Amino acid sequence: QVQLQESGPGLVKPSETLSLTCTVSGGSISTYYWSWIRQRPGNGLEWIGYIYYSGTSYHNPSLKGRVTISIDTSKNQFSLKVSSVTAADTAVYYCARGSTEYDGRGYYYFFDYWGQGNLVTVSS
Amino acid sequence: DIQMTQSPSSLSASVGDRVTITCRASQSITTFLNWYQQKPGKAPKLLIYVASSLASGVPSRFSGSGSGTDFTLTITSLQPEDFATYFCQQTYTTPWTFGLGTKVEIK
Repeated sequence: QVQLQESGPGLVKPSETLSLTCTVSGGSISTYYWSWIRQRPGNGLEWIGYIYYSGTSYHNPSLKGRVTISIDTSKNQFSLKVSSVTAADTAVYYCARGSTEYDGRGYYYFFDYWGQGNLVTVSS
Repeated sequence: DIQMTQSPSSLSASVGDRVTITCRASQSITTFLNWYQQKPGKAPKLLIYVASSLASGVPSRFSGSGSGTDFTLTITSLQPEDFATYFCQQTYTTPWTFGLGTKVEIK
């Protein structure tokens, strides 16, 4: 059974960099798309971006270039960094596995496994 | 970005009721639509992908339908464990976006 586990500090000071790691167990990280999603208090879900095992990545423009997603296949881990954080970055951060389904016309993406979530509070 | 609008934002229902939740996309997304269930303090769980495919282990009382801009999640006979918040998500184009959720509460 695939399991994902986020780790990282729960408190980050404003203007500093938020760093989280997701460790994947029960399966190899060397396929699939690996994503970060966040959920601000009382709000919906916001997709931050993904990384493929090859290193190809995509970041949501809503975070204005403050995001870095990296992958370490030797450790079965991928990571998120968000720079210059403010209180608006306070959220529960989830890592998730992105699977695909191909029907001959295109690839359909969906998140089939999620971590339990890591609450990150931005405060001095 | 593609906007996903869910309705209603919340509803009250009883065990055994048939529940329907709607999701509308701001442009056509063909069938690039997923549904998730989230319980308080837990991560979302995949229910439906590609608009109508049931995820592994999900009870058959859940079903999804629709294409283009209008989609529906139906729970045919609501069970106590189904009281939760439901989100739709489009993966037609990046950035992938979610609806704001529909909270299903006990009447």
